[in-house]
Amino acid sequence: DQQVKQNSPSLSVQEGRISILNCDYTNSMFDYFLWYKKYPAEGPTFLISISSIKDKNEDGRFTVFLNKSAKHLSLHIVPSQPGDSAVYFCAASAYNTNAGKSTFGDGTTLTVKP
Amino acid sequence: GAGVSQSPRYKVAKRGQDVALRCDPISGHVSLFWYQQALGQGPEFLTYFQNEAQLDKSGLPSDRFFAERPEGSVSTLKIQRTQQEDSAVYLCASSLAAGLLRGEQFFGPGTRLTVL
Repeated sequence: DQQVKQNSPSLSVQEGRISILNCDYTNSMFDYFLWYKKYPAEGPTFLISISSIKDKNEDGRFTVFLNKSAKHLSLHIVPSQPGDSAVYFCAASAYNTNAGKSTFGDGTTLTVKP
Repeated sequence: GAGVSQSPRYKVAKRGQDVALRCDPISGHVSLFWYQQALGQGPEFLTYFQNEAQLDKSGLPSDRFFAERPEGSVSTLKIQRTQQEDSAVYLCASSLAAGLLRGEQFFGPGTRLTVL
């Protein structure tokens, strides 16, 4: 039973356009969400996070939206750049877990075409 | 600055061999996590340390897996009598967050283990 799901294994967008990556979760105890980006042969690197007390968090070209009632979050990248091509992981943690022990989705591979 | 380092980066083991994977977290990071990442999947939690205390080992798949962090810094993940299903990338992550505080985790590059 996968608690964090990224239903699109891959996404391809044109440079300059918007990339929208989606994530769904089932555990209602999750209240802190993070997006990580991963290049080949490297570990994931943190991108942006959001707490359940918010419905939006923005950092430069990256915005994360949280819809608690739908148990859905999305990452928007505007404008997309070729260097954004990577695997993006959605992760979630519950309020009563050690230091934010995270449950990860299986990732979405984003390809940004020049 | 120094990030999380892991060694070796690649390890090939024959089935039945024991392996030891090392993680050097960022200095001063209280929390340390081990994750297992199978091909095409996301990282899956194995175990968590707060300083030298192993507070959560609920993700370890069998008693062949053992982790330690004796001085609250470097950690070692040991797998005894390796099996083919142990083949995966093993990721280590450290964090400043501890207790019920949350924050980002800083990941190492991983150790790719292949069991023949």
